[in-house]
Parts: sequence; C-alpha cells; structure tokens
Amino acid sequence: TVLTQSPATLSLSPGERATLSCRASHSVSRHLAWYQQKPGQAPRLLIYDASNRATGIPARFSGSGFGTDFTLTISSLEPEDFAVYYCQQRGNWPPYSFGQGTKLEIK
Amino acid sequence: VQLVESGGGVVQPGGSLRLSCSASGFTFDDYAMNWVRQAPGKGLEWVSLISGDGGDRYYGDAVKGRFTISRDNNKNSLFLEMSGLTIEDTAVYYCTKDKFGSGSYPPGWFDPWGQGVLVTVSS
Repeated sequence: TVLTQSPATLSLSPGERATLSCRASHSVSRHLAWYQQKPGQAPRLLIYDASNRATGIPARFSGSGFGTDFTLTISSLEPEDFAVYYCQQRGNWPPYSFGQGTKLEIK
Repeated sequence: VQLVESGGGVVQPGGSLRLSCSASGFTFDDYAMNWVRQAPGKGLEWVSLISGDGGDRYYGDAVKGRFTISRDNNKNSLFLEMSGLTIEDTAVYYCTKDKFGSGSYPPGWFDPWGQGVLVTVSS
C-alpha cells in the first residue's frame, strides 16, 4: 500500500491551523498513524487508529479519516510543532509503509 | 521505557554487521519489536518485525533474504543480523517497540523509538 502525503512542504506561522493529508492506494480501514520527527531526533507517535492521540500528545493534534483519505490537523501551531510529519499504515501488512513526509516550516 | 541501539559503523559493500537493541522499563517478551531505517535525508522505511515470543518474523522486500531479526527475551535484547550489505542499506536504524502487547492484533504502531544507530556502507 502506497501512502502519498500532501503537501510536501507547508509554510505557516505560529497560531495558524495546519492541515496535512495522507492518501492510501488501497483501503487501510482505520489502521493509520501519524508520527512527528524533529531534526536529529527519532520519530514520535502522535496519532494511531486514525484518530486516537498517543500518550502525552497535546489536544491541539487531531486525526481523522477512514479507508483511503486521512488528515492530521494541528489547531493552533506552537513553535515546537515545526517538524516533519509522516503517516504510516498497518492495514495491509506486511509490509508496513510510510508516506514520504510533510515538512511543516515556519513562514 | 528505554531502547538503546548499538553496533553501527562503517562496513564495505558485501559485508556484514550485527545491530543490538537493549530494552528496559517494560515486560520485553509481551511486545513485538521492529527495526525501522532512515537513509540520510530520506523518509522512514520499515525493515522487520519479530513477535514477542520470537516465533513470527516478517521482513521488508528490500532486506528479505539478507537480514535476520532475532531476540533474547532473557536478556531483554533485540538484534538485526545484516549481510550482503549494499550502499542502499546506508541509514540510521531505529529499534521500536510495538505500542500494544501481544494480545492486540494486528501489531504495527511504533512507540517508542530508540535514538538510532548509523550504518554506513562504503568502500
């Protein structure tokens, strides 16, 4: 299953709303997760099962979607949110697959 | 929960290397474990999964037949034996724990991740 993320780069300012998209080539039901990766750090799980926040993840992060179309929303950007975001599916495994990433940068 | 990888380094094409991951802070044999890699400046690629009891193992197509995942539940350790290495295997390799225990199916949410270990394949 190929995951395609859009846009490749998103330029926004702190306080703005961010909307990131992930599209799957085949239905993955609700088996989709989102990860955040900052430079020089390992990825961190944000959202699993399309809409469940992982432990310790702030409420400004939310996920939605089912089947082939998914969205990660950050309601009001904080300075620490600027990073690369990856989606990942486990609906059709093995193998697990990741999207190519969306870079969220400060405008 | 802590995951600490080791064993990375520089190896020539065609060579072999063994990565280790030392786990602590959870009941190791209750959880499937994975290796995920990231080539320099690139995205994430799942490499391999092993079930909690070690009985089930899965591999990505890029490494199938060349890499072997294993675990020692007595020592809370995960391993990745890599052979036939090519330049395309150059990456940071992360050890990751499955978020939910073996009673949950399917596996495949990676949480948390180790800090990663760099493998460089170069002549």
